[in-house]
Amino acid sequence: NAGVTQTPKFRILKIGQSMTLQCTQDMNHNYMYWYRQDPGMGLKLIYYSVGAGITDKGEVPNGYNVSRSTTEDFPLRLELAAPSQTSVYFCASSYLRGVNTGELFFGEGSRLTVL
Amino acid sequence: LAKTTQPISMDSYEGQEVNITCSHNNIATNDYITWYQQFPSQGPRFIIQGYKTKVTNEVASLFIPADRKSSTLSLPRVSLSDTAVYYCLVGDITSNTGKLIFGQGTTLQVKP
Repeated sequence: NAGVTQTPKFRILKIGQSMTLQCTQDMNHNYMYWYRQDPGMGLKLIYYSVGAGITDKGEVPNGYNVSRSTTEDFPLRLELAAPSQTSVYFCASSYLRGVNTGELFFGEGSRLTVL
Repeated sequence: LAKTTQPISMDSYEGQEVNITCSHNNIATNDYITWYQQFPSQGPRFIIQGYKTKVTNEVASLFIPADRKSSTLSLPRVSLSDTAVYYCLVGDITSNTGKLIFGQGTTLQVKP
C-alpha cells in the first residue's frame, strides 16, 4: 500500500493564481483531513471529510475549497493565492476500526510558496 | 472540542526518561487521547493512544489519571533521534464528528 499520497511536493505560485493540491489514499479510510503548518508552528485544520460527498470546515477554511467525490481522493483548491497561504500542507486519513481507532496517517506534505 | 495545553519545549539528555504532560481540562466522555511525533519536513506519526489508566507499547507509555483532565507521555531512555515535536490530540474519534484539532506541541531537544 502507498498510504497517503500528496502531489505536488513543491510549488511556487504568483499572487492571484489558483491551484489544486491532490491527495489520495489507498487504505479505504472514510475520514480525510487537510492541515497547514506554517514555519515553526503547529498544524491547523483547514477542511475535513467523514466520507464521500461530505465535507466540513476546520479552523482556517478561508481561501480554500475541497471536494470528496470518492473515498480515495480529497483535493484542496486554493483560489486567488495570497502570501499568507505560504505553508506546508498535510493531508491525512483515518478510520474507525482497528486497534488504534482514529489513528491519523499523514502524507509527506506539499510545500507551497506564494510570491 | 477539548483544548490542550503542553509545554512549548523541553530538554533532556540521552538515556534519560522523558515525561511530557498535556492538560485537557474540558475533555468529553467520548474523547480519546492520542500522541503524535513530528520530525522536520515530515508529517506527524502516531505514537500511542489511550482512553484511561495506562497504555504501553514498544516505544512509549501513556498515563491517564482517573479524572482524565491530563495525560503524560513517557519516553524511556531517549536518544538523539527522539528530538522532535510531540503533539497531544484529544478528540472524539469514534463518532462521525471527525474534527481533530492539534495543539501547539512540545519541542523535545535531546542532547548528547
